[in-house]
Amino acid sequence: EAGVAQSPRYKIIEKRQSVAFWCNPISGHATLYWYQQILGQGPKLLIQFQNNGVVDDSQLPKDRFSAERLKGVDSTLKIQPAKLEDSAVYLCASSRLGLAATGELFFGEGSRLTVL
Amino acid sequence: DAKTTQPNSMESNEEEPVHLPCNHSTISGTDYIHWYRQLPSQGPEYVIHGLTSNVNNRMASLAIAEDRKSSTLILHRATLRDAAVYYCIRNSGNTPLVFGKGTRLSVIA
Repeated sequence: EAGVAQSPRYKIIEKRQSVAFWCNPISGHATLYWYQQILGQGPKLLIQFQNNGVVDDSQLPKDRFSAERLKGVDSTLKIQPAKLEDSAVYLCASSRLGLAATGELFFGEGSRLTVL
Repeated sequence: DAKTTQPNSMESNEEEPVHLPCNHSTISGTDYIHWYRQLPSQGPEYVIHGLTSNVNNRMASLAIAEDRKSSTLILHRATLRDAAVYYCIRNSGNTPLVFGKGTRLSVIA
């Protein structure tokens, strides 16, 4: 089975520019997550989708970050305008069932963003 | 707030067992204990999870204390490919996983 696909793998932009990341979860996975991982820290949840609805976006900086999952499959995370502190790896993850049942969250390789 | 406490780093010799501790003294009755690991330049990957009983799979074993306030991830024979950051996470129901800083495991040949 194919894993979680993310693109681009690397992106370098200047501050105040915009950037978008794409994620295609594992087929059949209803739940999709975006995490932000700053160097030296653990991943931090930005947003959780269940199908095409938002379950939790409490930690998403909504003044500059937006995310959508229009058809309940792939998802896009956008940052506009970017700040220096947005430099991080953006990880997409998906799960088939609730985590209590299987415990398994599948992560993509991530998109590394550098803001200059 | 990851709500678990792990050592920042540990070191092991290759082909020896590794015991990675985790403290979760405020765990509730419905919280599962999850372990993930993150190899360099990759996303985290699932290792094992459990509720009360000890668990075994092809990757590792999870030993959960009787009072559930602590647990230990056991790698039976460490290899160089096991060098990674290991995250211990307590999680209730279907809420998202909250990661802490984890334990960085170094394996010495």
